[in-house]
Formats: sequence, structure tokens, C-alpha cells
Amino acid sequence: SYVLTQAPSVSVAPGQTAKMTCSGNNIGSKSVNWYQQRPGQAPVLVIYDDSARPSGIPERFSGSNSGHTATLTITRVEAGDEADYYCQVWETTTNLLVFGGGTDLTVL
Amino acid sequence: EVRLVESGGGLVQPGGSLRLSCATSGFSFRDYSMNWVRQAPGEGLEWVSHISSSESKYYAVSVKGRFFISRDNDQDSLSLHMNSLRAEDTAVYYCVRGFYYYAMDVWGQGTTVTVSS
Repeated sequence: SYVLTQAPSVSVAPGQTAKMTCSGNNIGSKSVNWYQQRPGQAPVLVIYDDSARPSGIPERFSGSNSGHTATLTITRVEAGDEADYYCQVWETTTNLLVFGGGTDLTVL
Repeated sequence: EVRLVESGGGLVQPGGSLRLSCATSGFSFRDYSMNWVRQAPGEGLEWVSHISSSESKYYAVSVKGRFFISRDNDQDSLSLHMNSLRAEDTAVYYCVRGFYYYAMDVWGQGTTVTVSS
């Protein structure tokens, strides 16, 4: 089965840039989505199709995808960005939707 | 406003059954795919099942043959029938609207399922 690997945690100071990666075999050939989940809340879609932002998501959130790694970047990080972030793809050969294990973003 | 409201969660014994429902409003339900996603306590997100607008159905390996997804386009509702429940099925279950190519853009608040004797 297809596996997505994310670092368990990332820490960044306010105002700095946070980069969170999602690794998978030839993930660059897939459409990657990213979700933010604040404590006690339902997830929110922040990036879809590698780099598109849904309505209402700040421009500080961006995504890229190439080779074996997809990346979610948050610039000018704020305290309110502290959350778990999950990447996700659809695996076409098995018709399975796959999530990464999630990255806990801490704002110092 | 787009809304998804789950119901039907609760405490059930191992081997038991439960039916989750998701009432939707604010969008043309029949035109969208839908999903169930769960989250065990302290754990990450786990996809459970997908049903397309044309009613193609897909399941996670962990629930295939035990869980069954269905939709009622006249009632704008989504269901998940869960059989042979196990302790590891304990989780918050989210009803989620499908978006561009298997992204998911609207999430319900979740309903909690606890499997325990």
C-alpha cells in the first residue's frame, strides 16, 4: 500500500517560515492535498491539487510537489497557525485514499 | 451555508453494529462525492470510505466487508453501516464533502463511536 511520511513535529518562531514535507514514492505524479487541524476542531482544507488555495485560506499558505516530496509552506507564521497538518493523496492503482501521519506545528 | 451534521454515534459492544448518518444542507448533495474519515483518540486521520456522485464505492482495507456506505439523494443524506465492530474502530467519525479530485473541503463536527464491553 502507498505510504506518506511526515515529520512528527516542526517548531518555528512567530514571523518566520514553516516548511512541512510529505514524502511518498513518486508523489510528484499525484495530486496532493493538505489539511490543518487545530486542537479539538475538525480539519480544514488549506491546499488542494499540490498548490491551489481554497477560498478563505491566506496567501501565507502555499504548496509544491515534485519527485518524491510535497511541501507545505507557511510564511509569516502566527500563533494561530499552531496545529496538526496532514497531507493526503488518492492512490489510483488501489482506489484508496491515504493520509500522512501528520506534523505537529509548534509556534515558539 | 454548507452544513454537515453527523449523528448515530455511541457506545457499542465488540461484534455489534451501528449506523451513522450525516444530514447535509446548503449545496446540491447529489452532485458531490462524499467520504467518511475517522480519528482514533490521540491519533491521526484515517480515511474510511468514499461514495461518488454516481455511487461508486470504495473502502479502506481495515473496514472492507464490515462497513457499508450509502447515500440518499432525495433526503440529502449520507450513511455508514458498521458491522462486526472492534475496539480499534473506536474513533470520532467525520462526514466530509468531496472536492477537486478526492480533496475534501467541508467537514462535519464528528460523531464519537466507542467499541467496548
